[in-house]
Amino acid sequence: KAGVTQTPRYLIKTRGQQVTLSCSPISGHRSVSWYQQTPGQGLQFLFEYFSETQRNKGNFPGRFSGRQFSNSRSEMNVSTLELGDSALYLCASSSGQGSYDTQYFGPGTRLTVL
Amino acid sequence: AQSVTQLGSHVSVSEGALVLLRCNYSSSVPPYLFWYVQYPNQGLQLLLKYTSAATLVKGINGFEAEFKKSETSFHLTKPSAHMSDAAEYFCAVSAQGSGGSNYKLTFGKGTLLTVNP
Repeated sequence: KAGVTQTPRYLIKTRGQQVTLSCSPISGHRSVSWYQQTPGQGLQFLFEYFSETQRNKGNFPGRFSGRQFSNSRSEMNVSTLELGDSALYLCASSSGQGSYDTQYFGPGTRLTVL
Repeated sequence: AQSVTQLGSHVSVSEGALVLLRCNYSSSVPPYLFWYVQYPNQGLQLLLKYTSAATLVKGINGFEAEFKKSETSFHLTKPSAHMSDAAEYFCAVSAQGSGGSNYKLTFGKGTLLTVNP
């Protein structure tokens, strides 16, 4: 079974721009979660989608948004980029049946904001 | 709300020595606990998880962890370290919220494991 894939793997943007990251979950998984990883703040939960509905959201500003499509693929968008948005963005997929589910992580998208 | 504390941001051991990575959690409801490993420039890989079936959990690559409710701990151990174990390790908690599952992992800050030859 193919793992979680994320595209692109690397991105360089400038302040004020917007960016869209993509995540394809493991086949059959209906839940996709997004996390931001930075050296200072560590791993922080952004949001989780299940069957195209956002079920949970972390404590991030409204510039961070996401969506999920009917095939479970997900995208996250960051508008009006700030230097502090530079991070590794990780996507994880699971069956979405409960908090005990294993979340399988993709390799991440490394975003650099200049 | 849940939180995780990993004691020691950096642990260094010799090859063949015991590995002990500490994790303490806080949760107002029974927790589910996970250990993940991250190699450079990669995502996170699950080592093991506790979902209340057994307090001693065995994972991949010879790792195991014991859930101790009285100590609110879930420390990760491996009897004999190998060079390939050098990586960053994250403890995470997930919990059944009062309104149902919250479907998110709350991570500790991570522990970087160095293995010396």
